[in-house]
Amino acid sequence: LAKITQPISMDSYEGQEVNITCSHNNIATNDYITWYQQFPSQGPRFIIQGYKTKVTNEVASLFIPADRKSSTLSLPRVSLSDTAVYYCLVASGSNYQLIWGAGTKLIIKP
Amino acid sequence: SQTIHQWPATLVQPVGSPLSLECTVEGTSNPNLYWYRQAAGRGLQLLFYSVGIGQISSEVPQNLSASRPQDRQFILSSKKLLLSDSGFYLCAWERAGTTVYEQYFGPGTRLTVT
Repeated sequence: LAKITQPISMDSYEGQEVNITCSHNNIATNDYITWYQQFPSQGPRFIIQGYKTKVTNEVASLFIPADRKSSTLSLPRVSLSDTAVYYCLVASGSNYQLIWGAGTKLIIKP
Repeated sequence: SQTIHQWPATLVQPVGSPLSLECTVEGTSNPNLYWYRQAAGRGLQLLFYSVGIGQISSEVPQNLSASRPQDRQFILSSKKLLLSDSGFYLCAWERAGTTVYEQYFGPGTRLTVT
């Protein structure tokens, strides 16, 4: 099973681009990488998912290098409302093996 | 549209007492269902998941159990609570047969065992 490492916390400022990297050295061929956002006292909310290369949606981009041993969530032009905990999830595409990272607490300052 | 409900929202229970938390999903059929626990300031711990009625897989051996008596109902139970059972319990659903792992979480139940 993949072991996941992500930074405990990060700070940034409004309007900046924020990149959060997740390390998953033992990722398996069938595993997908997913990122979630969680606000206090709420359940996590899906942000983006990818398998390799780059995925972009209306809120974020996900960069995955060819060896897939890491992934980077990119949040463009953050605002104060992006202050939250961001979780990296590595999940098997075949057998419901889910490994959650410990989360990165992102604080956006004015 | 789909909706997920959890109740109660908060619960304070003494050590050794039983527990029953309920989760229901509306607007979808045959969802995959999950129970998670989140200790204060910590990440998510997957407790159980279910891919169909009566099909429960346990991820962590402990004094908790889960049941799925109906397609869109998922129940988390304990016969005797421990102090270590305190935490934020989250139920989630996702569309069956997907590899996207886009899970939709409920509002959660905050359990304090005293």
